[in-house]
Amino acid sequence: TQLLEQSPQFLSIQEGENLTVYCNSSSVFSSLQWYRQEPGEGPVLLVTVVTGGEVKKLKRLTFQFGDARKDSSLHITAAQPGDTGLYLCAGATGNQFYFGTGTSLTVIP
Amino acid sequence: SQTIHQWPATLVQPVGSPLSLECTVEGTSNPNLYWYRQAAGRGLQLLFYSVGIGQISSEVPQNLSASRPQDRQFILSSKKLLLSDSGFYLCAWSPGTPLHFGNGTRLTVT
Repeated sequence: TQLLEQSPQFLSIQEGENLTVYCNSSSVFSSLQWYRQEPGEGPVLLVTVVTGGEVKKLKRLTFQFGDARKDSSLHITAAQPGDTGLYLCAGATGNQFYFGTGTSLTVIP
Repeated sequence: SQTIHQWPATLVQPVGSPLSLECTVEGTSNPNLYWYRQAAGRGLQLLFYSVGIGQISSEVPQNLSASRPQDRQFILSSKKLLLSDSGFYLCAWSPGTPLHFGNGTRLTVT
């Protein structure tokens, strides 16, 4: 089993603040995905990063894949209440996808 | 477009009873299929994955089994449920990458 650790586990911030979530592993992955999950629903894909050092932007969200393809970060600028949810990273190795421990984000209006 | 169906949405079962959760995918052929389990507010644990009919790989030894009787059908089963089998079960499919999830089944074993 490939272990991915996310930090922080819980995050509660005021609307308009910035935040960064980290996803770390000792394993190398062929790609890494970030998902967001609402209560009672399945995770929904936000982004896939493939190349070491790659940076992708999705509106106020910035995703970075580490140079060694072992870690990743998600940065949210000017968080909004609609960003509230569980954020999950997932590393792909062959046909297997291993998920991080999750970061529960609450953005307070 | 591809869609994934998972049912039931919620299930309450007594300890020792059998389990069968079904997942089907539409709009694609020969998908990779996955079963995950999730504890409340936490990450997903990979239980089983399949790259083709009758091909099942198990990640974690447990009280559960999986089968893929048809190309786009994936079934999670148990002969006798344990209290520890309670959780949120998610089916997913993938053309390679990334994963596309169903809406999950909330299983409570009493």
